[in-house]
Amino acid sequence: SQQGEEDPQALSIQEGENATMNCSYKTSINNLQWYRQNSGRGLVHLILIRSNEREKHSGRLRVTLDTSKKSSSLLITASRAADTASYFCATDRRDDKIIFGKGTRLHILP
Amino acid sequence: DAGVTQSPTHLIKTRGQQVTLRCSPKSGHDTVSWYQQALGQGPQFIFQYYEEEERQRGNFPDRFSGHQFPNYSSELNVNALLLGDSALYLCASSRTGQGSDTQYFGPGTRLTVL
Repeated sequence: SQQGEEDPQALSIQEGENATMNCSYKTSINNLQWYRQNSGRGLVHLILIRSNEREKHSGRLRVTLDTSKKSSSLLITASRAADTASYFCATDRRDDKIIFGKGTRLHILP
Repeated sequence: DAGVTQSPTHLIKTRGQQVTLRCSPKSGHDTVSWYQQALGQGPQFIFQYYEEEERQRGNFPDRFSGHQFPNYSSELNVNALLLGDSALYLCASSRTGQGSDTQYFGPGTRLTVL
């Protein structure tokens, strides 16, 4: 079974706009990670946020974590065509297994 | 510095056959995890190897087995293939006990079972 659930399942926005994706999970976690996947290829690690952190930034990426609501969000600012991909959240539970959600398919329109 | 490599890139098998997929971890990494990703789904954890032993296992039948070699590379074996085993198989490597939980993924092996 999958721990995380991304929302929305699919998102289309104009180039230059911001994209926000959300992830909800069910059990306590050590950390939460976001990955990007282009066209069924390998996953690229974007950012890791630990359970005692509330917000992290990396370039145009901003991730928040609310452990009380068991949710996280990924914000991509000033989107580009190259951001078109599937985005997955992955939760690292206390038994060390990493569980992925089903992903959000992001499409940046020119 | 080579990243995670996997071979082969694509593979076509028929039902009932057996398959072996290979993974070489990123330099300096000692832990290898395997995932199965069906079309349109997120990766599903199969198992993880560390110090040549299976450390964690997901909800996969015994037809799925693996091995880790002294050089940290790993193999995933699937016996008695079913049509439902068709998927992208991803290998990820990491370092245990180094304070980093980041997994680095290979490009995957696309397995098609006919």
